[in-house]
Amino acid sequence: NAGVTQTPKFRVLKTGQSMTLLCAQDMNHEYMYWYRQDPGMGLRLIHYSVGEGTTAKGEVPDGYNVSRLKKQNFLLGLESAAPSQTSVYFCASSQGRVLYEQYFGPGTRLTVT
Amino acid sequence: GIQVEQSPPDLILQEGANSTLRCNFSDSVNNLQWFHQNPWGQLINLFYIPSGTKQNGRLSATTVATERYSLLYISSSQTTDSGVYFCAVGNTGTASKLTFGTGTRLQVTL
Repeated sequence: NAGVTQTPKFRVLKTGQSMTLLCAQDMNHEYMYWYRQDPGMGLRLIHYSVGEGTTAKGEVPDGYNVSRLKKQNFLLGLESAAPSQTSVYFCASSQGRVLYEQYFGPGTRLTVT
Repeated sequence: GIQVEQSPPDLILQEGANSTLRCNFSDSVNNLQWFHQNPWGQLINLFYIPSGTKQNGRLSATTVATERYSLLYISSSQTTDSGVYFCAVGNTGTASKLTFGTGTRLQVTL
């Protein structure tokens, strides 16, 4: 099993450009999450999904959109990138709600200039 | 929301030393996880421990849920233990999200 994978690993964008980050998991997990990590900080939840076709806002959702068209994939979109979105983005998945361990992908380092 | 505090923020050890990292949280939790973020940025699951004690090799963890804290013990530290250790918690009121502390940065020297 590959676990949780993320594409791409690195990306540089110019202000105003758009992009999509892809997260894939092969553990048949119901729940998937997108977090961002800024220097010297822990991770903060952007959006999450409790199943195929569902999405919900997390702690810092502004400027991002998400989609979960397939159970194994969770996409994070930036429609008009801003320098404040320079961060490392982590995807995670879990079998269920709260009582289950979350497993994280390797991260995507995004720089917006 | 739940507040998570980790201490100490920074720790420098010589190889072979033992250490205790602490995580305090402000509300009852149903989920508590410890992670190690290595120097390459990868998050590695160490323990899923909402209560009780677990051990895995040189690492062990204890969570006292009623007193709202968790401890991570590292014995006989090695240079490969260097990195940042995060505690993250969640409960049924947080709708699945984990709230992370700001981490303890550990440096193990020869």
